[in-house]
Amino acid sequence: AQKVTQAQTEISVVEKEDVTLDCVYETRDTTYYLFWYKQPPSGELVFLIRRNSFDEQNEISGRYSWNFQKSTSSFNFTITASQVVDSAVYFCALSEERDSSYKLIFGSGTRLLVRP
Amino acid sequence: DAGITQSPRHKVTETGTPVTLRCHQTENHRYMYWYRQDPGHGLRLIHYSYGVKDTDKGEVSDGYSVSRSKTEDFLLTLESATSSQTSVYFCAISSDGSYEQYFGPGTRLTVT
Repeated sequence: AQKVTQAQTEISVVEKEDVTLDCVYETRDTTYYLFWYKQPPSGELVFLIRRNSFDEQNEISGRYSWNFQKSTSSFNFTITASQVVDSAVYFCALSEERDSSYKLIFGSGTRLLVRP
Repeated sequence: DAGITQSPRHKVTETGTPVTLRCHQTENHRYMYWYRQDPGHGLRLIHYSYGVKDTDKGEVSDGYSVSRSKTEDFLLTLESATSSQTSVYFCAISSDGSYEQYFGPGTRLTVT
C-alpha cells in the first residue's frame, strides 16, 4: 500500500540553525512523484517542489534543498540558516496514479517552529 | 497563484443538517479534489473529479457526495452532518500532465 511517514511530529530550532525534515515513503509503483508542501500559520497550502522517481538529483532552491534517495525510500527536506518565517507545518506527499487519475497521499506533517 | 476559491470559508452547523461546500476554479483544469485535514492525519482525499460529471471516491468518502456539472465548480455535500465531520476542507486542482496540485484557501466546518 502507498504510504508516507513523517516521523517528526514537531521540531523546534533557533533562528539560523539548519534543520532537516524527514520523509519516508512506500509505493509499489515504479514511476511516482514526491512533493513537499508548506502550510504557514495562515492556513493555506503552498506547493514547494515535485521530484520524479527517475531523477535522483538533489535540488537546491535558495535556503531549501531536497535529498531524494530511492535506496532508502526517503525524500528529506533541509532548510539552511532557518528563519522565523519558515515556521509552518510541512507535508510530504506521494502521487498515486490509478485509472488515469493522479491522487496525492500525504504524510501527517511536521510542525517546524523557528525561535528568534 | 492558481485561481481557486472556496465558499463558505467558515461554517457552523448542527448535527443532522445538510451542508454544501463549493470549490470554484478559473484555471480550466481537468482534475479537482476534495480533502479534509485533521490533526495527526495530514490531508486525506474524500472525492475527486477527472472531468465534468466524472467523479470517484477517495480514502474517506463515507458520508460525503460530490457533483461537478461545470469544469469550474466542484461541490462537496454532507447529506446529514455529524460531529466527526468537523474539519478543515481543502479543494485542489491539477491539470492534465501535471502532477502537482494547487490548493484553495480551505473551509473550516464545525458541526455542533
